[in-house]
Amino acid sequence: EAEVAQSPRYKITEKSQAVAFWCDPISGHATLYWYRQILGQGPELLVQFQDESVVDDSQLPKDRFSAERLKGVDSTLKIQPAELGDSAMYLCASKTSITADTQYFGPGTRLTVL
Amino acid sequence: RKEVEQDPGPFNVPEGATVAFNCTYSNSASQSFFWYRQDCRKEPKLLMSVYSSGNEDGRFTAQLNRASQYISLLIRDSKLSDSATYLCVVNGGFQKLVFGTGTRLLVSP
Repeated sequence: EAEVAQSPRYKITEKSQAVAFWCDPISGHATLYWYRQILGQGPELLVQFQDESVVDDSQLPKDRFSAERLKGVDSTLKIQPAELGDSAMYLCASKTSITADTQYFGPGTRLTVL
Repeated sequence: RKEVEQDPGPFNVPEGATVAFNCTYSNSASQSFFWYRQDCRKEPKLLMSVYSSGNEDGRFTAQLNRASQYISLLIRDSKLSDSATYLCVVNGGFQKLVFGTGTRLLVSP
């Protein structure tokens, strides 16, 4: 069964450092999402892509976060500089098209900022 | 008010028990509703979609009440393996999913 791949699975960094997370969606999935999930809360959408275009980044803290999906396939989420409050699980999800119901999540990257 | 609200629990039940979770949502224009399951330190996985007429999948039954803007999930004959966090999810428009904080279920022998 095809899966969403994410790397790294775990990342520990010090505050003010830069970190980057990578996501490879299921082949053929045009829509890709990045979520942040703080412990004890549900996932919160950071950014949504349709192919290579950003559809919604209204919740992305643009002063320190950036996301790209240059060729409309895999995607990178970057944080620079990282802050203590960024410690969370970063989840990537994809689906076949913007109107499809089901999103498939990757295993996530657990970030700890010291 | 949060867009999607759930009782965080935990709900502690013995094996074989029936347990129900409710969830309320604030956006009356929402069209799609889901329950996701999330195991500890794992990614969320779709458990079931919720339809207006209600739907059942084995031991799991989901109901939607549009007038009162709430969604429910009923689990019958609970198994140890049902222990997880159950996330109520609403399509908040523009195909954007809004997640509740989750309800934690612990099934004990």
